[in-house]
Amino acid sequence: GDSVTQMEGPVTLSEEAFLTINCTYTATGYPSLFWYVQYPGEGLQLLLKATKADDKGSNKGFEATYRKETTSFHLEKGSVQVSDSAVYFCALSDRPRGSTLGRLYFGRGTQLTVWP
Amino acid sequence: IAGITQAPTSQILAAGRRMTLRCTQDMRHNAMYWYRQDLGLGLRLIHYSNTAGTTGKGEVPDGYSVSRANTDDFPLTLASAVPSQTSVYFCASSAQGNSNQPQHFGDGTRLSIL
Repeated sequence: GDSVTQMEGPVTLSEEAFLTINCTYTATGYPSLFWYVQYPGEGLQLLLKATKADDKGSNKGFEATYRKETTSFHLEKGSVQVSDSAVYFCALSDRPRGSTLGRLYFGRGTQLTVWP
Repeated sequence: IAGITQAPTSQILAAGRRMTLRCTQDMRHNAMYWYRQDLGLGLRLIHYSNTAGTTGKGEVPDGYSVSRANTDDFPLTLASAVPSQTSVYFCASSAQGNSNQPQHFGDGTRLSIL
């Protein structure tokens, strides 16, 4: 079945450091891939997405490239800020055989803390 | 501001009681979802609805029921709460139930069952 495996945290970085959060997936079809971010006490917000192989999603300085050959969608940012401290979730959306719904499958989340 | 409204924000409930979590969206989205979020497990889908009048079971549906009488509302009911249902519950919606549509989330309901 479909699943997402992402790097376990917590990840602690100094401001302006480079960030990578690894995410790999298993899917039976051709999924869309997403990164969501959750700030304390809030719901999840879409950070970026990619809907086909080699697509690059980007937003707020974050980037991730849909790599079909390595089944990966790693999240990167060149210079993190204190305000980036949050939990990051990798997710894939696929339509299981016989279903009319595109389901989201989430990784377990990675807590990022950025120190000034 | 358009979005998803969940109520209550938090609740403490005695085991065995019935509880309904409310979810309303004003984006005219067709698809709606309920997830529970537990530490170390990420989010797991409880129930979903492709469109008004239809519902389906997700990954962890036991002990929960939903209804979708109209486009905007998607309440989640715990008929007889148990401590293992202590969790944070998120309602979400998407324009269509297609796999490339992002989902929009409410701020969650923190539920504690004693």
